[in-house]
Amino acid sequence: DQQVKQNSPSLSVQEGRISILNCDYTNSMFDYFLWYKKYPAEGPTFLISISSIKDKNEDGRFTVFLNKSAKHLSLHIVPSQPGDSAVYFCAATEGYGGSQGNLIFGKGTKLSVKP
Amino acid sequence: NAGVTQTPKFQVLKTGQSMTLQCAQDMNHNSMYWYRQDPGMGLRLIYYSASEGTTDKGEVPNGYNVSRLNKREFSLRLESAAPSQTSVYFCASSEGLGIDTQYFGPGTRLTVL
Repeated sequence: DQQVKQNSPSLSVQEGRISILNCDYTNSMFDYFLWYKKYPAEGPTFLISISSIKDKNEDGRFTVFLNKSAKHLSLHIVPSQPGDSAVYFCAATEGYGGSQGNLIFGKGTKLSVKP
Repeated sequence: NAGVTQTPKFQVLKTGQSMTLQCAQDMNHNSMYWYRQDPGMGLRLIYYSASEGTTDKGEVPNGYNVSRLNKREFSLRLESAAPSQTSVYFCASSEGLGIDTQYFGPGTRLTVL
């Protein structure tokens, strides 16, 4: 059973507009969440993270929102740029509280930003 | 700094053949990981090594073995390759387990015929 779900396999957005990528999780023990970005023929790279004690974390154009009661997080990219076109993976772990849980990844959402 | 390097980049095997995927990191990280990514799937953890001298199974360890050769190197071995092991394999490293950021290599694309 998938513990981390990204229900949209793909998303297309116009340059300059907002991109919203969604992620749901089922394991209530998860307390730390990450987004990774992956270009073709490259390994994933870390983008942004959030712990369960926060509901928002910002880094430049990227903001992650966490709704613990709904077990839902989202990544907002504003404004979107063509270079943001990539596959975005949501990941979760129980590691924030000191546990050394492994990362559990979603299936990814392919974002296409059109000029 | 090269970060995490993997060899080879591509490999084609016949069913039953064996091979070892190599991974090295130059960030002095304690923890290392092997993942596989299949089409339409996320990354799934095969094995990990919390620190030099230790290895543990991940989510999908069957058909694989690993060796943490030293702090820098972590290899993944397929003793008898099967078509179900056709995948892209990623090695990663981090300072420690838990929430420490994992840094990934470029991947090895393996096809088993």
